[in-house]
Amino acid sequence: DQQVKQNSPSLSVQEGRISILNCDYTNSMFDYFLWYKKYPAEGPTFLISISSIKDKNEDGRFTVFLNKSAKHLSLHIVPSQPGDSAVYFCAARFNDMRFGAGTRLTVKP
Amino acid sequence: NAGVTQTPKFRVLKTGQSMTLLCAQDMNHEYMYWYRQDPGMGLRLIHYSVGEGTTAKGEVPDGYNVSRLKKQNFLLGLESAAPSQTSVYFCASGGGWAYTEAFFGQGTRLTVV
Repeated sequence: DQQVKQNSPSLSVQEGRISILNCDYTNSMFDYFLWYKKYPAEGPTFLISISSIKDKNEDGRFTVFLNKSAKHLSLHIVPSQPGDSAVYFCAARFNDMRFGAGTRLTVKP
Repeated sequence: NAGVTQTPKFRVLKTGQSMTLLCAQDMNHEYMYWYRQDPGMGLRLIHYSVGEGTTAKGEVPDGYNVSRLKKQNFLLGLESAAPSQTSVYFCASGGGWAYTEAFFGQGTRLTVV
């Protein structure tokens, strides 16, 4: 029972353009949603989060949007940089924390 | 500040052997988690703990046991390892009601042959 889904395994964008990563969830009890970034051979690191009572949270180049009615959230990275190339995991929290399968972002110079 | 430390970093086991993975955190977090990462599957929750002396099952608990005897440590045990348990294991602490995000260790790469 995968409660958090990332349906795009990979995304490739040009440096300077916008990257949009998507995530869907099924459990309406989730109260916080998070994005993590992971480089090879390292543990995931926290990027940005959003409470279920908000619809947008911004931190520098990163913005997360939440559409509760659609049970959908997205991460926007503007402008994208080569150093942003990594695997991005969407996560959702209730009693525990569940993750999606991840999206590999490649930003080309 | 060490954060979350996992021991060991690499291990090769034979089928049927047992082992314990240790996770230690120095941030006084109540919540701790064990995940496994497999290609195409993302991070799947094995077990978690909401405080010292507590444990709870996650998505994929079968074949694993855990213990949280001390607040700073969360142990993951494999009693009889199987090739299907070949994976990268990540421990995390934080999250829960006091902290929004969880902090991850560097991972343990386990191969069962």
